Amino acid sequence: ETGVTQTPRHLVMGMTNKKSLKCEQHLGHNAMYWYKQSAKKPLELMFVYNFKEQTENNSVPSRFSPECPNSSHLFLHLHTLQPEDSALYLCASSRRLAGGSQFFGPGTRLTVL
Amino acid sequence: DQQVKQNSPSLSVQEGRISILNCDYTNSMFDYFLWYKKYPAEGPTFLISISSIKDKNEDGRFTVFLNKSAKHLSLHIVPSQPGDSAVYFCAASEVSGNTPLVFGKGTRLSVIA
Repeated sequence: ETGVTQTPRHLVMGMTNKKSLKCEQHLGHNAMYWYKQSAKKPLELMFVYNFKEQTENNSVPSRFSPECPNSSHLFLHLHTLQPEDSALYLCASSRRLAGGSQFFGPGTRLTVL
Repeated sequence: DQQVKQNSPSLSVQEGRISILNCDYTNSMFDYFLWYKKYPAEGPTFLISISSIKDKNEDGRFTVFLNKSAKHLSLHIVPSQPGDSAVYFCAASEVSGNTPLVFGKGTRLSVIA
């Protein structure tokens, strides 16, 4: 148990659906992250939040919309996704933005039909 | 430009032998390095780290070596076990900086019984 939970673990959605991924950490960490991992590709950092403020958006399409209501929760809102968005979406948290290890959640396996 | 490079996408080792995974970095400001292990459909888990003030850190079967002048680090696993089969990610950070970990593309290790 890493202390970072993600729901749902699996999600199948159509291209016109709207869904949200949820991440929660009870480690007292101040930084939270969304990563995407496609098949046979490296980890892609999508968004970074530090003390609830977004500090990084790595050219992610607007069909992905993050939300960080507090330091313990992070959401990724999805709408009008494409089949190529099918991937494992990982949430992570760390005590501080730099220099520390990140703790990852188990991921949400997303399939877009 | 990749700041953290893992040039071997895959590695096969016999059970009981040593596994050596390599990682190179280009940013001389990096001073904290980590290795993560990832099983399929799961989030990466932290394995071992090393600060730039050291050149070696050991934890059980896992040892990380750092060669600052060569900007190179390696993870040694000995003896290798079938359960070690996973993707290993190298990551680097600048402790006093304000940017998150930078990950390599990963090396898939297969330990053959």
